[in-house]
Amino acid sequence: QVQLVQSGAEVKKPGSSVKLSCKASGGIFSTHAISWLRQVPGQGPEWMGGIVPLFGSTTSAQKFQDRVTISADASTSTLFMEIRNLTSGDTAVYYCALRRTVPGWFDPWGQGALVTVSS
Amino acid sequence: DIQLTQSPSTVSASVGDRVTISCRASQSVVTWLAWYQQKPGRAPNVLIYKASTLGTGVPSRFSGSGSGTEFTLTINGLQPDDFATYYCQQYSGQVTFGPGTKVEVK
Repeated sequence: QVQLVQSGAEVKKPGSSVKLSCKASGGIFSTHAISWLRQVPGQGPEWMGGIVPLFGSTTSAQKFQDRVTISADASTSTLFMEIRNLTSGDTAVYYCALRRTVPGWFDPWGQGALVTVSS
Repeated sequence: DIQLTQSPSTVSASVGDRVTISCRASQSVVTWLAWYQQKPGRAPNVLIYKASTLGTGVPSRFSGSGSGTEFTLTINGLQPDDFATYYCQQYSGQVTFGPGTKVEVK
């Protein structure tokens, strides 16, 4: 059974960086695309970018391209996303999610990680 | 980016009711549309993909229809477990989600 388990909540200062992780199990890591999304409370999710671990190829939404780095460690089946130069507008719940097809829908999702950016 | 709007933003309903939620795209997404259910503090869970295909393990009271720019999620016989927020998502272009529709107890 496919499962994505994320790292825990983070509290960061404006201008700092955060690196989130997402560990995949169920034999899907190398063969599927995995994405990062975020959700500000009260709003719909927002796709940030993704990676196909088998090829190491990444893609990102234009608004995040300058501040976000997505990577993967195949030896541990773990996906990472680093966000730099955090602002209060980055306060959100961050999810990793398996993309069944590309393009496609997301299933399953990790449990989410709240990132709070506050001085 | 393709914009998605949902209506209504909130629907008040009772157990057993038929609930209909609409999703409109700013341009055609053909049938590249999915629906999700989300409960407070939980990740979204896919209900429907490719506009009308039921996700694995999703009860048959959920159904999706539509193509192009107009889509509908229908819940036939609302159950207590169905009170939640529902989102549409298109994957024709860069992925975008709708703003959500909350189904609350009447």
